[in-house]
Amino acid sequence: DAGVIQSPRHEVTEMGQEVTLRCKPISGHDYLFWYRQTMMRGLELLIYFNNNVPIDDSGMPEDRFSAKMPNASFSTLKIQPSEPRDSAVYFCASSKGRFQPQHFGDGTRLSIL
Amino acid sequence: QKEVEQNSGPLSVPEGAIASLNCTYSDRGSQSFFWYRQYSGKSPELIMSIYSNGDKEDGRFTAQLNKASQYVSLLIRDSQPSDSATYLCAVANDYKLSFGAGTTVTVRA
Repeated sequence: DAGVIQSPRHEVTEMGQEVTLRCKPISGHDYLFWYRQTMMRGLELLIYFNNNVPIDDSGMPEDRFSAKMPNASFSTLKIQPSEPRDSAVYFCASSKGRFQPQHFGDGTRLSIL
Repeated sequence: QKEVEQNSGPLSVPEGAIASLNCTYSDRGSQSFFWYRQYSGKSPELIMSIYSNGDKEDGRFTAQLNKASQYVSLLIRDSQPSDSATYLCAVANDYKLSFGAGTTVTVRA
């Protein structure tokens, strides 16, 4: 079975540019999560969706970040405008249910110059 | 107080020894508990899940849960060099999965 698919794997862009990260969850999983991982802060939950509806976006750092899930098989995380402090690895994860294990994609390594 | 705390590392063990990892959590209403392994430059990979008090064994891994003490542990028996990684404890309460900072384990050949 295909796992969580993220794209791109790597992104290098200049400060001020718009960045869009993409995620395809595992088919049949009702929950989708976006995380950010840095050495300083570890793994942080940014936002999660249940049945395509955003449930908790309290982890989104500021208004420059937005996420959408237009259908059950696709989600985006957008940063506009990007800043060097946004440099991190961004993971998407999905799960079948509320207390079920989450399965992670390979992540997007984002570098903002 | 952090939601999930893990014993600070790094933890270095000789090959064949037992590696013991500990985790405490703050929310008594937590329902599910997971251990993830993360190799350098890779994504977290689920290795164990535990939902009720007691021990759960899977191969060389044993997870232990004590809800009264709000404590979860992971034992790695017969440690192998391939076990060298960062181990993340994760605790689910309501809809949120909270991660500890991780414990880095190095298995010396």
